[in-house]
Parts: sequence; structure tokens; C-alpha cells
Amino acid sequence: AQSVAQPEDQVNVAEGNPLTVKCTYSVSGNPYLFWYVQYPNRGLQFLLKYITGDNLVKGSYGFEAEFNKSQTSFHLKKPSALVSDSALYFCAVRDMWGGADGLTFGKGTHLIIQP
Amino acid sequence: DAGITQSPRHKVTETGTPVTLRCHQTENHRYMYWYRQDPGHGLRLIHYSYGVKDTDKGEVSDGYSVSRSKTEDFLLTLESATSSQTSVYFCATSRGEWSTGELFFGEGSRLTVL
Repeated sequence: AQSVAQPEDQVNVAEGNPLTVKCTYSVSGNPYLFWYVQYPNRGLQFLLKYITGDNLVKGSYGFEAEFNKSQTSFHLKKPSALVSDSALYFCAVRDMWGGADGLTFGKGTHLIIQP
Repeated sequence: DAGITQSPRHKVTETGTPVTLRCHQTENHRYMYWYRQDPGHGLRLIHYSYGVKDTDKGEVSDGYSVSRSKTEDFLLTLESATSSQTSVYFCATSRGEWSTGELFFGEGSRLTVL
């Protein structure tokens, strides 16, 4: 079985400071890893993914994430936070050789950027 | 963005009544999913489909059924709604089995069961 842990329910960051949203995962094989963002009353929007290759993945809106196989982590980062980054962020995983049963999501982390 | 439309977007119903939520996609994606989102639980998979008339259960399938008679439509039915099924329901699609599995989401359907 695969699982995702997002250890922080909420992360507070001052505008202009760097931000990190943490994610750890568990899969039996090699992982495909994803970050999604959800704004109020909206569906989830894809931010970035790790499939293979470079451990540092760049995505939308200036976000990036670092895959660390030894620590089974895929933390989301941004060098300089914007107030508009405030949203709910989900980490998700699937096994590379998994079936058709979609992605397994973490419980989400509320990111609050303070002006 | 994948064209995924959910209907209705909002519904209030009473305990014991049947409810059907519809997901319509225009991207010809093979795989379709129904998730529910609840505070403290994130997104949990209810049912999924890997082709027309091919469906399977997810993590929280009790009390729900699905049907897929056409590639573009995936219906979620609550045969007899309960208050524990009050939630926001999301439909998602995926291109195909050998893709990376990235999901594309609809805007959600908020269901309140009184």
C-alpha cells in the first residue's frame, strides 16, 4: 500500500521569505510524486511532478520540489513567498508500476502568507 | 486544462434520498475517478473507472455506486444518502495506464445531507 504524510496542518510564512511545505511518502516500488494546489471553492490544480531524473523539479508559479530517495521526502519550496500563494497544498504519490487506481493524497497543508 | 464539468455544483438533500452526481469530460481520457474531500482527511478515492463499463472500488466505496456507459461520462450515485456523506466530491481524469498518472480535476460538487 502507498501513503503520504504531510506533517504540518498549517504553515505560516511572511511575504518575501522562503517557504517549505513538507511531504514524506511510502510506496513499495519507485514513486511518481506530485504537488497540487487548491484555492477556496476550486478544484485541485497541478503544480509539479517528479517522475525520474533530476531530483530538483521546477513547476508553476515559481515553485520547486526536491526529491530525496533516502529520506523518502518530496518537500515543496519557493524562494520568496507571495500573499497570493496562500492556499491548500496537497502532496500525492503513486507507484511507478501501480495500476489504474489513481493517486494517493496527503491530508493537505494550509499555507498562509502574511503581508 | 482538461475539460471536466461536474453537475450539480451544489446540492442539499435529505437523509434517505437518492443522489446522482455527474462528471463529464471532453478530453477522451481513459481513466476517471471520484474522490471525496473532508477536513482532516484530504482526498479519498471512492470509485474509479478504467474504461467504459469497467469500474472498481476505492478506499471509501461503501454506500456509493458508479456507472460509465460512455467514455465522457462518469456517474456517482448515493442510493440512500446519509449525513456522513456530506462532503465535497471531486471528479478527476487521467490519460492512460502508461502515463505518469497525473490527474486533472473538476471544480467539485458540494453535497449537504440533512
